[in-house]
Order: sequence, then C-alpha cells, then structure tokens
Amino acid sequence: AQSVTQLGSHVSVSEGALVLLRCNYSSSVPPYLFWYVQYPNQGLQLLLKYTTGATLVKGINGFEAEFKKSETSFHLTKPSAHMSDAAEYFCAVSIIQGAQKLVFGQGTRLTINP
Amino acid sequence: KAGVTQTPRYLIKTRGQQVTLSCSPISGHRSVSWYQQTPGQGLQFLFEYFSETQRNKGNFPGRFSGRQFSNSRSEMNVSTLELGDSALYLCASSYTPGQGFTDTQYFGPGTRLTVL
Repeated sequence: AQSVTQLGSHVSVSEGALVLLRCNYSSSVPPYLFWYVQYPNQGLQLLLKYTTGATLVKGINGFEAEFKKSETSFHLTKPSAHMSDAAEYFCAVSIIQGAQKLVFGQGTRLTINP
Repeated sequence: KAGVTQTPRYLIKTRGQQVTLSCSPISGHRSVSWYQQTPGQGLQFLFEYFSETQRNKGNFPGRFSGRQFSNSRSEMNVSTLELGDSALYLCASSYTPGQGFTDTQYFGPGTRLTVL
C-alpha cells in the first residue's frame, strides 16, 4: 500500500533561516506529489505539486520542492523563513491514476522563532 | 471564482444522533472528495464522488455515506454518531476533465463536528 512519511512532527527555525520539511513516499508507480499548508481553523491550501516533467517545483510564498525518484523523496524548502510561515504542512501522494484520492503524511508543525 | 464552501462550519451533536454536512465545489468542478481529520489518525480519505456516482471509497464503516447532486454539490451523512467521530471534515473539489486523470484538489474550510 502507498504511504507517506514526514520526518519530524515539529520543526522550529529562526526567522530568516532555511526551512526544510522532509517527505518520503512509497509507491510502485510514478506518483503525483503535493504539499499543502494548513493555518489554524482553516482548510488546506495547495503550496505546490509535482506531476511529471521538471523535478524542481516552485510554489507559492517562496516554497519549492524537489522530486527525487531514487530517494523516493519530495522535501519542501524555503530559503528564508517568515513569521507568517508558521503553520502545519502536509505532504500527500496520489497514486491511483484517475482517482481523486490523496494519501497524507502525518503533518509537520512549523514554528518560527523571532 | 468562489472557493469550496462547507456548511455548517461548526456542529455539536450527541452520541447516537445523525448528521449531514454539505459541500459546494468550485464552479465547474465535477469531483468532490471528503476527508476526516483527527489528531490521532491525521487526514484520512472517506470517499469521492464524480458525476453523482461514488468512484472511490476509503476504509470507513457504513455509517459514513455520501451523495452528489447534479450540480456537483455533495453531502455526507454520519449515522449513529460515536465519540470517535469528532473531527474536522474536509471537502475538496477538482475539475477532473475525464476518467484516468488525476487533478489538483482544492479544499474547503471544513466542518468541525463535536460529538458529546
């Protein structure tokens, strides 16, 4: 069965520092990969997605992620953290072709220290 | 375009009751998926509807059901509520031009259900 593992349920960085949120997936077929962000009392907002083509994907708010097939990873990065980045981040995979079904990781809560 | 809307935003019920949640997708989107979010289990897929038909189903008991109307609006129903059903229920819509195409899902703000 497909699965998604996010390493670190909590990550804390200083404002201006690099943000790195880790995501690994298991899949026997090429996956579609997504990162979503959730602010308190809100739904999920799409940050970026990988379907096919270029393995480095740029998203909103300065985030980007790189698909590495050999490492089955899709880590999310941002060069310089802002206070407004504090939220919970979810990595998700869609594997079944044509199915609007996402399998999510457990989430990583990002805290930004002033 | 307006985003995905869900009503009500908050709901309090007691054990044994039933509840119906509503979701209006983005205009033009034909697929609606439902997810349950809890602190313990995280985000879990409930089911997906496309053109008024359930196309995929997650691993939830039969107490959880849903339907989709001809205008793509969807409802989910939970019967005989249990304490463990307390959760944030999220609806997501996607355009999905046809079979065999995986599209981006856009989420609503969710309905917070509390079962007492």
